[in-house]
Amino acid sequence: EDQVTQSPEALRLQEGESSSLNCSYTVSGLRGLFWYRQDPGKGPEFLFTLYSAGEEKEKERLKATLTKKESFLHITAPKPEDSATYLCAVQADGSGNTGKLIFGQGTTLQVKP
Amino acid sequence: NAGVTQTPKFQVLKTGQSMTLQCAQDMNHNSMYWYRQDPGMGLRLIYYSASEGTTDKGEVPNGYNVSRLNKREFSLRLESAAPSQTSVYFCASSPHRDGSYGYTFGSGTRLTVV
Repeated sequence: EDQVTQSPEALRLQEGESSSLNCSYTVSGLRGLFWYRQDPGKGPEFLFTLYSAGEEKEKERLKATLTKKESFLHITAPKPEDSATYLCAVQADGSGNTGKLIFGQGTTLQVKP
Repeated sequence: NAGVTQTPKFQVLKTGQSMTLQCAQDMNHNSMYWYRQDPGMGLRLIYYSASEGTTDKGEVPNGYNVSRLNKREFSLRLESAAPSQTSVYFCASSPHRDGSYGYTFGSGTRLTVV
């Protein structure tokens, strides 16, 4: 069964304290791994897509990396405005040409000033 | 602003009542999706439409029906609401069937069934 697990469930950081969020996945074949940001009361916002092991993508203080079993979202010198829930999702080979994604439960990040 | 529009934003239903959640996108996307989000469960796919004229079941379709009215609109219907359907419902769209450009999500509908 295709599965996505994120850890930790919640993370509290001081402003400027760098850390990483983890997304472990089990799929028959990976077509793509996606990261989203979700603010309270809003829909998820697309951040990155990664397709193959070794690939990295960056956006401001965020950097996403991918291995054959997991992805990391590294947050460098976070600011309070980075506080949000970060969702990881995968598209498996078994999804065909449908775009279906399997989501993890998310990591809620709080950055204190 | 271009994007995905969901209506209503909030709704309270009594058990057994029916309602339709509306979703429209103005980005000329081909694929549209309905997810529900519950605490500790993540986002779960209810139904999707890979292209205009097609719809398919997702992970949790029981108790729901959908209609892809045209390329822009994808509605979700609850025929007889149950308390287990209390959730936040998100509609999303993607320009490509393979989802490679990621989804654009609407702002959600918070549904409470009492």
